[in-house]
Amino acid sequence: DVKVTQSSRYLVKRTGEKVFLECVQDMDHENMFWYRQDPGLGLRLIYFSYDVKMKEKGDIPEGYSVSREKKERFSLILESASTNQTSMYLCASTSVSFNQPQHFGDGTRLSIL
Amino acid sequence: GNSVTQMEGPVTLSEEAFLTINCTYTATGYPSLFWYVQYPGEGLQLLLKATKADDKGSNKGFEATYRKETTSFHLEKGSVQVSDSAVYFCALSDNAGGFKTIFGAGTRLFVKA
Repeated sequence: DVKVTQSSRYLVKRTGEKVFLECVQDMDHENMFWYRQDPGLGLRLIYFSYDVKMKEKGDIPEGYSVSREKKERFSLILESASTNQTSMYLCASTSVSFNQPQHFGDGTRLSIL
Repeated sequence: GNSVTQMEGPVTLSEEAFLTINCTYTATGYPSLFWYVQYPGEGLQLLLKATKADDKGSNKGFEATYRKETTSFHLEKGSVQVSDSAVYFCALSDNAGGFKTIFGAGTRLFVKA
């Protein structure tokens, strides 16, 4: 089975801090994604990556950056955390074919105080 | 652009009731369609999928049929259980959308004993 592992289930940080969320997948998937999930807004794509060192902006990239130095790892970075970035963050991965499903981690619930 | 619309929740049913969650889509290409389920405290997981018109996806008693003429992919289950309480997401991906998946807003289902 594909496993997508997010480094933290819960995280509390302060306004202005630089925050790193880590995601690792074990199925050699080319594509990886970061979403945030908020009540009433569904899933919104922040960034995705289709290869090592490659990244593309999603629908809401402002205030975030990403890093993909190795195929299995995709990091989301909040450059200077703000309270409106309090949310559930979900990482996902998939293979190159568009008709394959995405595989999700269990999420990181991030609170910015 | 591509989009997915699903019925708003929450949906509250008694155990053994019939479930329908409506989903319609717009897509410029030839999409694959998915239903994902999110149990409390977890990430999304694939429930079922269909990759071409008239395909029926099924899993754990849930079914959905890919209807190109009505651009729909409604989720059904004949007899729900308390353990089916979760949030259900309809989603699509297609060759015109690259590697991205478009998710509906999600429908929360409560099943009472």
